[in-house]
Amino acid sequence: QVQLVQSGSELKKPGASVKVSCKASGYTFTSYAMNWVRQAPGQGLEWMGWINTNTGNPTYAQGFTGRFVFSLDTSVSTAYLQISSLKAEDTAVYYCARDSDYDDDAFDIWGQGTMVTVSS
Amino acid sequence: SYELTQPPSVSVSPGQTARITCSGDALPKQYAYWYQQKPGQAPVLVIYKDSERPSGIPERFSGSSSGTTVTLTISGVQAEDEADYYCQSADSSGTYKVFGTGTKVTVL
Repeated sequence: QVQLVQSGSELKKPGASVKVSCKASGYTFTSYAMNWVRQAPGQGLEWMGWINTNTGNPTYAQGFTGRFVFSLDTSVSTAYLQISSLKAEDTAVYYCARDSDYDDDAFDIWGQGTMVTVSS
Repeated sequence: SYELTQPPSVSVSPGQTARITCSGDALPKQYAYWYQQKPGQAPVLVIYKDSERPSGIPERFSGSSSGTTVTLTISGVQAEDEADYYCQSADSSGTYKVFGTGTKVTVL
């Protein structure tokens, strides 16, 4: 079945980096763009941006430029989110989400989420 | 930056109708989408293109649009519908997507 499986929870110290993976299966990886969404504890959803899985070209939302990098390894159908110079306010669940079959502005398949905790 | 505004909470008795609004200046130009999120789970798409329902989503979920406001309606609310609901759309250029502030639906 179509699914996105993300890497496990991470505990990092301020200033460190983290790389979250999102492995796709059950569909042609390069046929659908991949989005990243952040949800801080007890807060709402924030769209971080998306990456074109054909060209590798990323688009970042306001507030997610500089320390955030989207990348791909199409040979293993996997998208990555790397966050550098981590801050306490980066503590959140990070989701990958695929553009939908219905409309490429919606997200129909989501990963299970990766909890990133930044604490000294 | 572009914002979509939702009421923080809606309370409804079982069997009644819940309506959740989402307001944004670009909504007359851009489609809206709705997601349901239960605690500890990833969001689920329940409405796309303002009023279309994905396969597997119960008929009690419907969407509508009027000007700068879109509405998610849950008819005959069931206990299992208790969740957070988020609208999502794009800015007027279509370049950047945005989620609404979220609405917690409580089934009394």
